[in-house]
Amino acid sequence: DAKTTQPPSMDCAEGRAANLPCNHSTISGNEYVYWYRQIHSQGPQYIIHGLKNNETNEMASLIITEDRKSSTLILPHATLRDTAVYYCIVRVAWGDNFNKFYFGSGTKLNVKP
Amino acid sequence: DGGITQSPKYLFRKEGQNVTLSCEQNLNHDAMYWYRQDPGQGLRLIYYSQIVNDFQKGDIAEGYSVSREKKESFPLTVTSAQKNPTAFYLCASSAWDRGHTEAFFGQGTRLTVV
Repeated sequence: DAKTTQPPSMDCAEGRAANLPCNHSTISGNEYVYWYRQIHSQGPQYIIHGLKNNETNEMASLIITEDRKSSTLILPHATLRDTAVYYCIVRVAWGDNFNKFYFGSGTKLNVKP
Repeated sequence: DGGITQSPKYLFRKEGQNVTLSCEQNLNHDAMYWYRQDPGQGLRLIYYSQIVNDFQKGDIAEGYSVSREKKESFPLTVTSAQKNPTAFYLCASSAWDRGHTEAFFGQGTRLTVV
């Protein structure tokens, strides 16, 4: 099963774009990339997901490299409320062991005024 | 409103005692999961269940037990065999679908052994 690697922490100025990288170099063709975030002592919240193509929703954009070995979550205009731990996750979408969500250690994003 | 409810929010246990954490969902999801989170760490999978009356061990199942007698409920028992049970426990559920499916999380139970 693919695992992910993320930097432990990042800083971002309020109002600027936050770009959070994730490495998933062993990802398989049947695995999606998901991003969740966790505000202190709460349950993680879904942000966005993708398989091969770049994706955008009201919260964020997800850029996946062509070889699918890495991705970047972009929060276009970070606010103080975006301060949280962001998890990049791979999930097996079909085949053996599908539907298991594997969490890494995440990136603590600190948005500063 | 649909969602996942974990109870209690805080739980204290004496060493050597078993304790059961509750997780209920009204999302009609087939799959349910239990994760453990230690301070400053990510989430580690304890057990998961694809369907009623079936469950599988995750990466750190030793010292824990679960049951899935109803679709809505997936209680986790932390037994006295768990050597370091103090942690934040999160329950999640998802549809059991191929392709995209989102996991929904409860607000967690913080267990402290005293």
